[in-house]
Amino acid sequence: QKEVEQNSGPLSVPEGAIASLNCTYSDRGSQSFFWYRQYSGKSPELIMFIYSNGDKEDGRFTAQLNKASQYVSLLIRDSQPSDSATYLCAVNDYGGSQGNLIFGKGTKLSVKP
Amino acid sequence: EAGVTQFPSHSVIEKGQTVTLRCDPISGHDNLYWYRRVMGKEIKFLLHFVKESKQDESGMPNNRFLAERTGGTYSTLKVQPAELEDSGVYFCASSQDGLHNPPLHFGNGTRLTVT
Repeated sequence: QKEVEQNSGPLSVPEGAIASLNCTYSDRGSQSFFWYRQYSGKSPELIMFIYSNGDKEDGRFTAQLNKASQYVSLLIRDSQPSDSATYLCAVNDYGGSQGNLIFGKGTKLSVKP
Repeated sequence: EAGVTQFPSHSVIEKGQTVTLRCDPISGHDNLYWYRRVMGKEIKFLLHFVKESKQDESGMPNNRFLAERTGGTYSTLKVQPAELEDSGVYFCASSQDGLHNPPLHFGNGTRLTVT
């Protein structure tokens, strides 16, 4: 059973702090890794994707990938109350078609003003 | 550019009835995916269309579920007959060329309640 594990939270950080979200995955063949943000009652929104080991930065967001440890993380710098949402980690199912993603249950982030 | 749209947004049906969900992908997107989230569980893949062909239907739970994409445009997902465990949020997503630039764009989902 291929799985993606995330701490469900809630993770609470003060405004302006760094929020660190973590994810581990079981499928060693996975090649593509995604972070989605989902506000309550809304659709998942892609915020970051990473394919290679190391860091990838986009504005206040940094995704980090370590394939040897099967670990991917998302850092949010200068956290804002508007960042409060559930963050979903997803990895591709190596044995499936493109877009066959395995999702974690998500980590709920709360940024306090 | 219009996003992925899904109809209806909510549906409440009785066990044994039939429900049809519709998804209109972003115009020009050949790839269309169905996912669902059952209460308390993670979002799970159901199937993937490339144009009108089923590329991967490994996630379809059983033969009560039928997905179609006639003409390679919009898609429907029919559940017949519905069971209580089918309750959840059904998401549709589309992409132009699979996982790479851009990846999946999701619709707002259809919340299905089977009573």
